[in-house]
Amino acid sequence: QVQLRESGPGLVKPSETLSLTCTVSGGSINSYYWSWIRQSPGKGLEWIGYVYKSGSTNYNPSLQSRVIISVDTSKNQFSLTLSSVTAADTAVYYCGRLYYDSSDSHYFDYWGRGTLVTVSS
Amino acid sequence: EIVLTQSPGTLSLSPGGRATLSCRASQSVSSTYLAWYQQKPGQAPRLLIYGASNRATGIPDRFSGSGSGTDFTLTISRLEPEDFAVYYCQQFHTSPVTFGQGTKLEIK
Repeated sequence: QVQLRESGPGLVKPSETLSLTCTVSGGSINSYYWSWIRQSPGKGLEWIGYVYKSGSTNYNPSLQSRVIISVDTSKNQFSLTLSSVTAADTAVYYCGRLYYDSSDSHYFDYWGRGTLVTVSS
Repeated sequence: EIVLTQSPGTLSLSPGGRATLSCRASQSVSSTYLAWYQQKPGQAPRLLIYGASNRATGIPDRFSGSGSGTDFTLTISRLEPEDFAVYYCQQFHTSPVTFGQGTKLEIK
C-alpha cells in the first residue's frame, strides 16, 4: 500500500518561500508522476504541478513563475518550493501520485493527508 | 485551460435515494482523462471513478460514472450515510489539470 506524507513549516511569512517535502513509502518513486495539489480554506482543488523520476516537470501556468518541484529518488521524496508567497497561498497542500494505466487514463490514486500552510506575518 | 462546471452546487437527498451529479467541460474531454473524487471534511480526496466510468479499487458498485465529450455524470444509487460528502470531477485531457468546483451532497 503506497503512503504519502507531507512535511514542512505550517507558517510562512509573506514574500518568503514555502517549502514542503512529500515522503513516499510502500512503493517506489521511480514509477509514475508525483504531484502537488492545494486547497484554499473552504475552496476547491488547484493542481500545482508534477514531477517525474527524471526530474522533468509540468506546472500550472498560474503558478509557474514561482514554483519548483523536484525529486530525490534516493530518498523516495519529492519537494515543492513556492516563492514570494502571499495570503492567497494559504491552503492545505496535498501531495499525490499521478497514476497512468495501459489505456492512458491519468488520475490521482494516492494522496497524502495534507498539511495546512498559513501565510502570515 | 479547460473549465469544469459542476452542478448542482449543493444536492440535498435522503439516505436510500439516488444522486445524479453533473460535470460539464468548457471543451471536449476524452473519457480516458475524466475522473471523480469524494472528499469528506478534514480528509484528502479519494478516487472514485477514472476513465469516466471505471470504478477505482474498493469503490462500491452503487457508484457509477458515465458521459462523453463535454458532459459527464456521477450517479450514486441507494445513498448510504457515508456517501454524504463533496464530489469533484477532474480532467487530464489538456494541461493544466483542472478540477470542478465541487458538488456538496448533504442529508435532507
